Amino acid sequence: GENVEQHPSTLSVQEGDSAVIKCTYSDSASNYFPWYKQELGKRPQLIIDIRSNVGEKKDQRIAVTLNKTAKHFSLHITETQPEDSAVYFCAASIGGYSTLTFGKGTMLLVSP
Amino acid sequence: GAGVSQSPRYKVAKRGQDVALRCDPISGHVSLFWYQQALGQGPEFLTYFQNEAQLDKSGLPSDRFFAERPEGSVSTLKIQRTQQEDSAVYLCASSLGGNMNTEAFFGQGTRLTVV
Repeated sequence: GENVEQHPSTLSVQEGDSAVIKCTYSDSASNYFPWYKQELGKRPQLIIDIRSNVGEKKDQRIAVTLNKTAKHFSLHITETQPEDSAVYFCAASIGGYSTLTFGKGTMLLVSP
Repeated sequence: GAGVSQSPRYKVAKRGQDVALRCDPISGHVSLFWYQQALGQGPEFLTYFQNEAQLDKSGLPSDRFFAERPEGSVSTLKIQRTQQEDSAVYLCASSLGGNMNTEAFFGQGTRLTVV
């Protein structure tokens, strides 16, 4: 089955810096890659997703890039703010009804 | 309600006790998923329903775990004879379409602690 690796496990940045989180996947058939943000004690919430027919997607300070050949995708957050502090999960799906396989998460801490 | 609702939010069970966790998906959502999230880990798939049909239960860790969605809306995850290793947050998610490639909305989860 699908295996998703996520790095780093923790990331500390200063407010205003950029943050990058990287994920690799194993199943070349995967074609949907969402990113979820989970604040402490709260539900995971979708922040951005990308499908395999595009290489990059941007939404204000958040962007995701996908390299299908290398089977990796990355989350980029620019101009980080303290409220960006949370655990971020990447995931992959091969489509159809297929379920999401999650990475182990990255704890992002943005210091004022 | 506007989102996925799970109850109870917290459950403490004595080892060997049976528990039932409830999920109310967003109205009209076809797909419903259960995930198990251990402390410091990503959610791990347990089972999937499309309407009332359980299409995939490959993630259920043992035959002590059972899930149902009899009328295609509310779902219940039941764990029999709970063990300490069952302690985790159990997340329910629903999506509009018949596949996971539409946005999945998660509930806040039920934190199960087995003592």
